[in-house]
Amino acid sequence: AQTVTQSQPEMSVQEAETVTLSCTYDTSESDYYLFWYKQPPSRQMILVIRQEAYKQQNATENRFSVNFQKAAKSFSLKISDSQLGDAAMYFCAYRRAGWNYGGSQGNLIFGKGTKLSVKP
Amino acid sequence: NAGVTQTPKFQVLKTGQSMTLQCAQDMNHNSMYWYRQDPGMGLRLIYYSASEGTTDKGEVPNGYNVSRLNKREFSLRLESAAPSQTSVYFCASTPRGAWTDTQYFGPGTRLTVL
Repeated sequence: AQTVTQSQPEMSVQEAETVTLSCTYDTSESDYYLFWYKQPPSRQMILVIRQEAYKQQNATENRFSVNFQKAAKSFSLKISDSQLGDAAMYFCAYRRAGWNYGGSQGNLIFGKGTKLSVKP
Repeated sequence: NAGVTQTPKFQVLKTGQSMTLQCAQDMNHNSMYWYRQDPGMGLRLIYYSASEGTTDKGEVPNGYNVSRLNKREFSLRLESAAPSQTSVYFCASTPRGAWTDTQYFGPGTRLTVL
């Protein structure tokens, strides 16, 4: 079974600095997707960034970028120029690709989250 | 365009009571999902509906039932609430097939069972 591990329950960063959140996963699949979701105090789950496993290039969305190491099964999120609004829980998630046979095997599998605090 | 909406936002129940959580999406998405989020945990799938008229169990379906009323609406029912069902419940949807797209989430319902 696939698992997702976030080893940092809490992280803290100074405003305007850079922080990296770690995520590792375990799978025997070769084709899959990886996601980072942000959950602010409002509880809304917001997609931050998505990475397709078959793409070697790391995904980037403005101040958010990932370091995807497929062989190491590592998927870290880097937040540059941190802002107060970045304070939230961050969840790493995995989904196998191409599953169309029913059941929930293709569903999102979440890590337990990392709580990010941003200090002014 | 409201995206995915959920009602109510908060609910307190007594053990044994029943209730239905409502979810609706206005994006013409085919697939819809119900998750629960417990403290210190990521989301876990309860039930999903790959298309209108179909529903299937997820990882933690016990104690719940669902209805895909139409393409827009997907409800989650607790027939006899238990304290173990105290959680935050999220509804989500995807445009096409059940496992082919990024999921869009609603704002969640915080349920407390006393």
